[in-house]
Amino acid sequence: DVKVTQSSRYLVKRTGEKVFLECVQDMDHENMFWYRQDPGLGLRLIYFSYDVKMKEKGDIPEGYSVSREKKERFSLILESASTNQTSMYLCASSGTRAFHTEAFFGQGTRLTVV
Amino acid sequence: GEDVEQSLFLSVREGDSSVINCTYTDSSSTYLYWYKQEPGAGLQLLTYIFSNMDMKQDQRLTVLLNKKDKHLSLRIADTQTGDSAIYFCADNQGGGADGLTFGKGTHLIIQP
Repeated sequence: DVKVTQSSRYLVKRTGEKVFLECVQDMDHENMFWYRQDPGLGLRLIYFSYDVKMKEKGDIPEGYSVSREKKERFSLILESASTNQTSMYLCASSGTRAFHTEAFFGQGTRLTVV
Repeated sequence: GEDVEQSLFLSVREGDSSVINCTYTDSSSTYLYWYKQEPGAGLQLLTYIFSNMDMKQDQRLTVLLNKKDKHLSLRIADTQTGDSAIYFCADNQGGGADGLTFGKGTHLIIQP
């Protein structure tokens, strides 16, 4: 059974804290992604990585950074959390099967910044 | 730029058919997808269709693709309360590491 696991379901952090969101996949996928999901805005891509130590900015990278030191792990870092980063964060990994891309998602981390 | 559009809400009665619509702009998309997100969970792949197909059926689900109009629909027959979820349309823009482009999601509400 394929899995993408996010380290926390719920987090509450204070403004200005450094926050780490961890994601691990067991499918040996090259590609990993971080999205945030907000009501009425759908999924917005923050960062993605197509290989170890590689990272690319998505649509809304400001205020975030990422780390991919191992193939199976992709971390999202909020350098100094702010209240506008309160959101649901979804990690995904994808691989190519029979020429089509299939993405697998973690269960999400609901982050509240107070 | 690339865009995938879908309405935000759809309300249907239990037992009726639900039809969720989606339009996309990138004609180079080779695969189109429907993902389902149940409350408090991540997204799960529901079904997909290759761009050279017009229709794909899988039990209660029927996907229709009109490539000329760049219109994709998902029909759920005999809608049940367990179908209540957010449904996301996505395309693959021809594939690649930059992943899928998602619509904003349609929240399917089931009335008893």
